[in-house]
Amino acid sequence: AQTVTQSQPEMSVQEAETVTLSCTYDTSESDYYLFWYKQPPSRQMILVIRQEAYKQQNATENRFSVNFQKAAKSFSLKISDSQLGDAAMYFCAYRSGNYGGSQGNLIFGKGTKLSVKP
Amino acid sequence: GAVVSQHPSRVICKSGTSVKIECRSLDFQATTMFWYRQFPKQSLMLMATSNEGSKATYEQGVEKDKFLINHASLTLSTLTVTSAHPEDSSFYICSARDRLVRTQYFGPGTRLLVL
Repeated sequence: AQTVTQSQPEMSVQEAETVTLSCTYDTSESDYYLFWYKQPPSRQMILVIRQEAYKQQNATENRFSVNFQKAAKSFSLKISDSQLGDAAMYFCAYRSGNYGGSQGNLIFGKGTKLSVKP
Repeated sequence: GAVVSQHPSRVICKSGTSVKIECRSLDFQATTMFWYRQFPKQSLMLMATSNEGSKATYEQGVEKDKFLINHASLTLSTLTVTSAHPEDSSFYICSARDRLVRTQYFGPGTRLLVL
């Protein structure tokens, strides 16, 4: 079974600084997707960034970028120029490339609570 | 972007009553919808996966007779908590997977409080 591990329950960053959130995963599959979701106090889950396992290039979305190390099964999220609105729970998630039944479901890590200091 | 709505956003009910939560994909078709439960300061726990027109697949430990799921159309899934008890109080989140782009979008969640 696939697992996702986020080893940092809480992180803190100064406004305008850069922070990196860690995520590792375990799988025997070769076809899969990785995601970072943000859950602010409103509790609405928001997709931040996604990475296809077959792509070597790291995904980037504005101030958010990932460091995808497939061999090491590592998928960290870097937030540059942190803003107060970035404060939230961040969940790393894995999804199999096989969409049959619940295999297409997201498997979440336990989350990292990010605080942004003004 | 794609929008998933949930209704109601918050509900308080008496123990023993049933509560229905609706999940709608507003601007896309979703052949698959997921229902999650989230306890305070914890991650999302998958309860069940529903495919349009077929029976839901429940995760281990989730009572299918307790949590009734119906996915009658490509844009609507419902979760009914039957004979609710205080231990059912939680935050319930639905998610819909876009049939075409296969990206999973989340609803805003429903906070259920059973007295």
